[in-house]
Amino acid sequence: GAVVSQHPSWVICKSGTSVKIECRSLDFQATTMFWYRQFPKQSLMLMATSNEGSKATYEQGVEKDKFLINHASLTLSTLTVTSAHPEDSSFYICSARVPSGRWEQYFGPGTRLTVT
Amino acid sequence: KQEVTQIPAALSVPEGENLVLNCSFTDSAIYNLQWFRQDPGKGLTSLLLIQSSQREQTSGRLNASLDKSSGRSTLYIAASQPGDSATYLCAVRPTNDYKLSFGAGTTVTVRA
Repeated sequence: GAVVSQHPSWVICKSGTSVKIECRSLDFQATTMFWYRQFPKQSLMLMATSNEGSKATYEQGVEKDKFLINHASLTLSTLTVTSAHPEDSSFYICSARVPSGRWEQYFGPGTRLTVT
Repeated sequence: KQEVTQIPAALSVPEGENLVLNCSFTDSAIYNLQWFRQDPGKGLTSLLLIQSSQREQTSGRLNASLDKSSGRSTLYIAASQPGDSATYLCAVRPTNDYKLSFGAGTTVTVRA
């Protein structure tokens, strides 16, 4: 149980275009999902917290107009990188909170974004 | 602000040797601590989760200890195998928040 999927697993886009990444909880309902970014040989940095039915909460320094997050259902959150630039190239990982008292998070397999 | 440090950053051992990975955190007000494994280009796999009230957790060849007062956790991997080669991350969750703070990881190479 507690499986989280991401789509696509990798994507290449041209500078100035937008790209959408999906995060799905496959066998449970996730009222809260999290989006992280990871640069090579660095740790995961939380970008935003996505709550079903409400606006996402962004971490300091993360541009909410550039990284659009939508959590329209209990099993799906999407991250759209708008007007992507090469510096947005990174590994994006989502996680979903299992609805239990432990607040344990299960992570998706990640999406490699390359902006050319 | 919570700072999580993992030492060493990289580790290379021959097969069969025991592994000791260290994680330290600056704020002892944690709810739990979790160890993850990450293979190159992949997501995170949860290995062990230790609640703040626990001292250790074990799963197979893995054992993780937690000393909350000193801000330390250690992950032991017994009788290492080449398949254990990966990056190991620790993450802490504070008592007053749900956000995880991650260390930069220890990259382990087990030589056959």
